[in-house]
Amino acid sequence: QVQLVQSGAEVKKPGASVKISCKASGYIFSAYYLHWVRQAPGQGLEWMGWINPHSGDTNYAQKFQGRVSLTRDMSISTVYMDLTRLRFDDTAVYYCARDDGNNWYYDSWGQGTLVTVSS
Amino acid sequence: SSELTQDPTVSVALGQTVRITCQGDSLRMYFASWYQQKPGQAPILVIYPKNNRPSGIPDRFSASGSGNTASLTITGAQAEDEADYYCNSRDSSGNLGIFGGGTKLTVL
Repeated sequence: QVQLVQSGAEVKKPGASVKISCKASGYIFSAYYLHWVRQAPGQGLEWMGWINPHSGDTNYAQKFQGRVSLTRDMSISTVYMDLTRLRFDDTAVYYCARDDGNNWYYDSWGQGTLVTVSS
Repeated sequence: SSELTQDPTVSVALGQTVRITCQGDSLRMYFASWYQQKPGQAPILVIYPKNNRPSGIPDRFSASGSGNTASLTITGAQAEDEADYYCNSRDSSGNLGIFGGGTKLTVL
């Protein structure tokens, strides 16, 4: 079955960077885009960006341009989300989610990774 | 426009029908998908374009759209449907994603 398994919780100081992984299994990794979505405590879902694992192409929400980077390692079917210059308001649960790249919907989600930014 | 607007809260009596709406200019060009999220859990897909349900989602969930508005309808709401619901689509450029602010559904 399709599974997206994310790395564990992180605690970071303001100004630091965080790198979260999302390991895919149960399907052809290169055939589906992976999107990243975050959710601050008590808040709604916020779309961050996507990566096409086949080509490596990416696209990011304007809000995160220059701070976020999505990469992939085809050999281990894993996508990484790197967020730099962390601020207190980056404290959130970060999710990866699968999309077929054509119809833009997320049929499988990772379990979420809590990133806490604290001094 | 790059916004999707949802009512923050909606309530429905047990067994009754409720509609949750999502408005935005990009919905004139792109279909919406709908997600249910319960506390402490990842969202799950309940409706994908065009009014399709993933396996395991009850047929009381359906969707429709007209103009700049997409709607999720629950016909015969159950206690387990109490959750936050989010719409999602592309922005007007077609290259970026956007979520509605979410609707907290209370089943009375």
